[in-house]
Amino acid sequence: QQQVKQSPQSLIVQKGGIPIINCAYENTAFDYFPWYQQFPGKGPALLIAIRPDVSEKKEGRFTISFNKSAKQFSLHIMDSQPGDSATYFCAASTQGGSEKLVFGKGTKLTVNP
Amino acid sequence: DTGVSQNPRHKITKRGQNVTFRCDPISEHNRLYWYRQTLGQGPEFLTYFQNEAQLEKSRLLSDRFSAERPKGSFSTLEIQRTEQGDSAMYLCASSLSAGTQYFGPGTRLTVL
Repeated sequence: QQQVKQSPQSLIVQKGGIPIINCAYENTAFDYFPWYQQFPGKGPALLIAIRPDVSEKKEGRFTISFNKSAKQFSLHIMDSQPGDSATYFCAASTQGGSEKLVFGKGTKLTVNP
Repeated sequence: DTGVSQNPRHKITKRGQNVTFRCDPISEHNRLYWYRQTLGQGPEFLTYFQNEAQLEKSRLLSDRFSAERPKGSFSTLEIQRTEQGDSAMYLCASSLSAGTQYFGPGTRLTVL
């Protein structure tokens, strides 16, 4: 049973566009929702994370929107650049992130020049 | 400040052989996690330690897999009698209690 569902599987945008990646979760005990960026051959790197007591968090060009009632959260990348081309994973955890992360299947983002 | 390191970065082995991977976490991080990632999928949790205590093991971790963190610092993951289905990227992450999990570069295992 997949606990975190991520869409779309792949996404192509032009430079300057605003790609949006969506995730939905089932376990209401989740209380920590990070997004990771992964380049080929590298380990995932944390981009931004949110807890359910806020509906939006912004760090630089990355914004997480969180809808607790719908059990959904999304990542928006403002003014996307070719260097943002990577695979993005949403994840969820309990106990404030101290427990295991449950990952979505990933979204491969391509930003064309 | 060094990040999480993993060795080897690549391992090719024949089916039935044993392999061992090492993870060195960020200094003073008391939690250490192992995940497995196959092509086109997100990382899947295998096990994690707080200091030297192994607190949780996934059902993915069959009896051919064993992990240790003997002194609460580095950790090893051993796979005995490897199978082709074990081919994957094995990722290690560390964190300070409930903080961010920082991932290493991974060890890519290929079982022929």
